[in-house]
Amino acid sequence: ETGVTQSPTHLIKTRGQQVTLRCSSQSGHNTVSWYQQALGQGPQFIFQYYREEENGRGNFPPRFSGLQFPNYSSELNVNALELDDSALYLCASSYSTGVNTEAFFGQGTRLTVV
Amino acid sequence: AQSVTQPDIHITVSEGASLELRCNYSYGATPYLFWYVQSPGQGLQLLLKYFSGDTLVQGIKGFEAEFKRSQSSFNLRKPSVHWSDAAEYFCAANAGNMLTFGGGTRLMVKP
Repeated sequence: ETGVTQSPTHLIKTRGQQVTLRCSSQSGHNTVSWYQQALGQGPQFIFQYYREEENGRGNFPPRFSGLQFPNYSSELNVNALELDDSALYLCASSYSTGVNTEAFFGQGTRLTVV
Repeated sequence: AQSVTQPDIHITVSEGASLELRCNYSYGATPYLFWYVQSPGQGLQLLLKYFSGDTLVQGIKGFEAEFKRSQSSFNLRKPSVHWSDAAEYFCAANAGNMLTFGGGTRLMVKP
């Protein structure tokens, strides 16, 4: 295990609803990144948070937003859910934002939008 | 645009046989390269990484990978596959603050 924990593990939401996913980073890590992994595809970068500030964003609409707290845990919020938002959402923490920094992944949250 | 390609979507090998999973990248400069493994319903586990230096890198679980700059490739190998190696394998690259993943290769192992 990596020490990165995500909650909940599974959830089902209705189209148009809002959802919040949570991530507790590994001890000593100040950087959290979020990825979306659709079925049968590789993970895609949503955004990264470093010391409570957004530090880069992938090609996702503004209805995907996030927060990082003083203890470096993080939330991913998705508004106005669409069917295509159904995916495994992965959180990864690291001790810095450097390109050679190893990212440690959580087990993911499986979101199903119906 | 920066990209990582894994040409093989599925690969089936017999237990005990050797394995090679292909990965090609397209970047302006050599990125940092990684291989991850994902078991069904699980997160990603890092197998190995290449930053610089020796182009043959050793990882966990008996895996190794070879970086070839001339071919923009970073192929994963294992000399003898075990049934427990059946999983999805992802090659990834980092040239900024994000990992770019390939589409993955699903490995099946025949008894």
